Amino acid sequence: DAGVTQSPTHLIKTRGQQVTLRCSPKSGHDTVSWYQQALGQGPQFIFQYYEEEERQRGNFPDRFSGHQFPNYSSELNVNALLLGDSALYLCASSWDSGENIQYFGAGTRLSVL
Amino acid sequence: SQQGEEDPQALSIQEGENATMNCSYKTSINNLQWYRQNSGRGLVHLILIRSNEREKHSGRLRVTLDTSKKSSSLLITASRAADTASYFCATVYNTNAGKSTFGDGTTLTVKP
Repeated sequence: DAGVTQSPTHLIKTRGQQVTLRCSPKSGHDTVSWYQQALGQGPQFIFQYYEEEERQRGNFPDRFSGHQFPNYSSELNVNALLLGDSALYLCASSWDSGENIQYFGAGTRLSVL
Repeated sequence: SQQGEEDPQALSIQEGENATMNCSYKTSINNLQWYRQNSGRGLVHLILIRSNEREKHSGRLRVTLDTSKKSSSLLITASRAADTASYFCATVYNTNAGKSTFGDGTTLTVKP
């Protein structure tokens, strides 16, 4: 049973560019959450998708957007990249009827130059 | 600011010793969870404690929850070098629309 998979593993972009990160949830999970983790800090909640809709959003600007597909996989898009967007982006999946136990992927390391 | 705050920020112990880390939070919760993260990797769920529970055990892990003080502690007994990692508490206040709110973690180093 595959766990949560994220791609790509690493990414280097320049300021102003756009990036798309991808996530496939754990089998049987219907909810996907995205987190941003800066070095030395805890994960910060970006948003959560359930039934292809953004259900909840953290304190992130509209430059951060996402999508969930019918197979529950998800994308995170970031437009007009800033240096401060450099971070580890984590995708987590869970089961909506559960207690919000999150299963995390290994993350995508984004560097903005 | 983060809902959960762990302390200490860093902890260094010898193999075989016990490690205790604490988490404080600000608002009422449905449950509190502890996660572990090895350097630069994804987080791994360790244990969940519900708001109506006071203590839970899982292997060498013991978690307590004091809702009156809005605090939790994670005890790792008989630590091993492989326990070296960052540990985060995550609070969940609504499991139906839930985000998990993480603190900045405790970095544990277990020396062999």
